[in-house]
Order: sequence, then structure tokens, then C-alpha cells
Amino acid sequence: QLQLQESGPGLVKPSETLSLTCSVSGDSISGTTYFWGWLRQPPGQGLEWIGSISDSGKTYYNPSLKSRVTVSSDTSRSQFSLRLTSVTASDTAVYYCARGYGSPGICDYWGRGTLVTVSS
Amino acid sequence: QSDLTQPASVSGSPGQSITISCTGSSSDVGGYNYVAWYQQQPGKAPKLLIYDVSNRPSGVSYRFSGSKSGNTASLTISGLQADDEADYYCSSYTSYRSTSSYVFGSGTKVTIL
Repeated sequence: QLQLQESGPGLVKPSETLSLTCSVSGDSISGTTYFWGWLRQPPGQGLEWIGSISDSGKTYYNPSLKSRVTVSSDTSRSQFSLRLTSVTASDTAVYYCARGYGSPGICDYWGRGTLVTVSS
Repeated sequence: QSDLTQPASVSGSPGQSITISCTGSSSDVGGYNYVAWYQQQPGKAPKLLIYDVSNRPSGVSYRFSGSKSGNTASLTISGLQADDEADYYCSSYTSYRSTSSYVFGSGTKVTIL
């Protein structure tokens, strides 16, 4: 059974960089037609797709976040990561890593999510 | 403000059927068949119910079905059950002037009466 688990700091200061890692178990993240991505959900609000990476390393980003986002992968460790620079309070959210099924933003397996708060 | 419009709430009695609408534009729902629906229970991650407008992933109940007409997609839940009470989100691929992304609706809270 495929499992995804987010890890990283739960508190980030304004203007700093948010970094999260997703560890995948139960399957390889390479040699497949799937995508590996990040989504977020501010407290009490809806979902937002952040970006994804394909098996070949091609990245796809939400245009509204593209200038601040980097998604990368380490296939040897079955991990992929998110970097979001210059964070503000509006970046406070539960961050989910997920597997894209057939397309980068349609996700069939999700991690449990991790709350990241941006505050000084 | 979300890109796709969903009703804030829908309710129904056990055994009944309900339909949740998701209205977008020709740049998203109306232009592509990459429409998905998710169910989110409180404190949990979303669960994919429908992808590519009307396809169910393995393990998802037949009681959930999706369709699309023009710029509006719909999720129908038949034979309502108590554990169907949750938030439901639609999502669509969008492309406009050489930029593409995935957008979500604001969510619909389903209440079982």
C-alpha cells in the first residue's frame, strides 16, 4: 500500500524559506507515469495546488506561486521536496504531499498533511 | 475567492440522492475533461472520488458518480449514508494564454438530515 509522509518545521518566520520533504513508501517514485506534488489548505479554507514533478524531473507550478516555489525529487531516497521562499502569514496552511494520477494536479494518494505556521 | 463555484452546503436524508454542482468557464471545466472530485472528512486528507469527469478510482463506491455539461461539472451521491457527511471539492485543469494550473472549488458541506 502506497504511503506518503510529510516532514519539516511546523513554524517558519516571515520572509524565510519553508522546506518540506515527502517520504514515499510502498512503491518507487521513479520509473512510473505518476506525478509527485504538493497542495495546501489554509485553516478553515479550501485547497490550493502548489506544484508537481514528473518521473523525468519535469516540474509544473501554480502560476500564482511559481516565482517562489521549487519542487524537487531524490529518487534514491524515494523522497520529493518543496521549497517556498519569502513566506508571509498567508502561507500558513496544512501542506499535503500527494501522487498525481494521470496528470500533475489530480491526486489519488495523499499524505496526512502537516501544519506550517508562519509567525515571528 | 475560488476559481470554481460550488454551493456552500447541500443536505439530504439517508437513502436519498444529492447533486453538487461545480461551475467554471471554457478555460477550465468547459474546455478539458480533467475534472476531479474529492471528499474530505474533518481533520483528514482529501480522498479522490472521481477523476477525468466521470471515472471512479478502484475502491470508490459506485454511489458516487460524476458528469459534465458545458462549463458545469456535477457530483451525484446516491443512497446517502451517514458517513457521506463531509466536505466535497471539485478541481479542474485550467489553461489560459499559455499558462496552466489546477484550480479548486470553494467546497460544499454535505449534511445528512
